[in-house]
Amino acid sequence: QVQLVESGGGVVQPGRSLRLSCAASGFTFSSYAVHWVRQAPGKGLEWVAVISEDGSDKYYADSVKGRFTISRDNSKNTLYLQMNSQRVEDTAVYYCARAGYRHFDYWGQGTLVSVSS
Amino acid sequence: QSALTQPPSASGSPGQSVTISCSGTSSDIGTYNYVSWYQQHPDKAPKLMIYEVTKRPSGVPDRFSGSKSGNTASLTVSGLQAEDEANYYCSSYAGNNKWVFGGGTKLTVL
Repeated sequence: QVQLVESGGGVVQPGRSLRLSCAASGFTFSSYAVHWVRQAPGKGLEWVAVISEDGSDKYYADSVKGRFTISRDNSKNTLYLQMNSQRVEDTAVYYCARAGYRHFDYWGQGTLVSVSS
Repeated sequence: QSALTQPPSASGSPGQSVTISCSGTSSDIGTYNYVSWYQQHPDKAPKLMIYEVTKRPSGVPDRFSGSKSGNTASLTVSGLQAEDEANYYCSSYAGNNKWVFGGGTKLTVL
């Protein structure tokens, strides 16, 4: 069955960096685009970024463009999110989600990132 | 990209039907037939319930249905059951490889 397992969350100070990972299994990872979606505490979902199947195309929400970088290693079936210059408002649970055609068909359980001094 | 607008709450008794609305703009819902709906129970991952406005993934009960008119999409849950109590989020493709979500609706089964 499709499984997505995020890791790498934690507490980070404003302005610092953190890298999240998402390990995929149960499907051919290299055949799917993958997204990051976040959810601030008690709030709704916010799309963050998407990367194409081979990693050549990447797109970002305006709120993270220039600070976050999405990448993938298809040999390791792993998705990444490098988060630089973090802000308090980046505090959220970060989910990776497999791309259906313009929707999100499977989600991981999420990893919590807390940006605080 | 601005968030889609959902009512914060909705409710119904077991066996009844409830409809949750999702209002967007001509840049997202109004242009694209790529509206999807997600169910999220507390502290759980979201689960896809409806995609491409009306399609249900395998395993989702046919009590769940979707529709769209103009810039507004809707999710209808018929024959409400206790396990349907959850938060529901709509999403739409917004062009240029960007997506937008609604703020979520808490569905309570009375």
